[in-house]
Amino acid sequence: TQLLEQSPQFLSIQEGENLTVYCNSSSVFSSLQWYRQEPGEGPVLLVTVVTGGEVKKLKRLTFQFGDARKDSSLHITAAQPGDTGLYLCAGAQGGSEKLVFGKGTKLTVNP
Amino acid sequence: ETGVTQTPRHLVMGMTNKKSLKCEQHLGHNAMYWYKQSAKKPLELMFVYNFKEQTENNSVPSRFSPECPNSSHLFLHLHTLQPEDSALYLCASSKSGLAGTGELFFGEGSRLTVL
Repeated sequence: TQLLEQSPQFLSIQEGENLTVYCNSSSVFSSLQWYRQEPGEGPVLLVTVVTGGEVKKLKRLTFQFGDARKDSSLHITAAQPGDTGLYLCAGAQGGSEKLVFGKGTKLTVNP
Repeated sequence: ETGVTQTPRHLVMGMTNKKSLKCEQHLGHNAMYWYKQSAKKPLELMFVYNFKEQTENNSVPSRFSPECPNSSHLFLHLHTLQPEDSALYLCASSKSGLAGTGELFFGEGSRLTVL
């Protein structure tokens, strides 16, 4: 059973478009992280959200943690080719050293 | 230069070979991890070392043998692997072993192909 479901699995858009990707679960997480992995590289942390309802902005990226701390979304405004990559969400459950990862959303932004 | 360095970047081996993957972190972190990344699957945690001590073995087959001689170095020894073990193996480090509250710093990965 997949603990963290990410959708869509693939997304191909044109430069300048807006997009939202989702990370959903039936489980509660104490915190949730978003990573971006570019081809041939390892994942790089973008943000950590810890409070239900929290919204964090990182330039054109807006991250939201659901009120019940079971889901999260990432919204990108005016996407650029440099945003291309695999977006991974990862959740932490209290008392565990394990981060549970979703399968990721593969985003392609075409010039 | 990345804070976590993995070698080799690519490795092709036969099922009877013995090889090792190496990871070195230059960040002064105390915890190191091995993850497996396969197509269409989530990142799978394999091993966790905290202050050189193994604190997590996520039911990994014995053909994968980790070694952590100090907090900066981590190895993954490979022996009699199967073709389904072909994947990207990612090393990561964090300040402490509580990955849920801290940031994971990943290396670029070692792409393993088992023939």
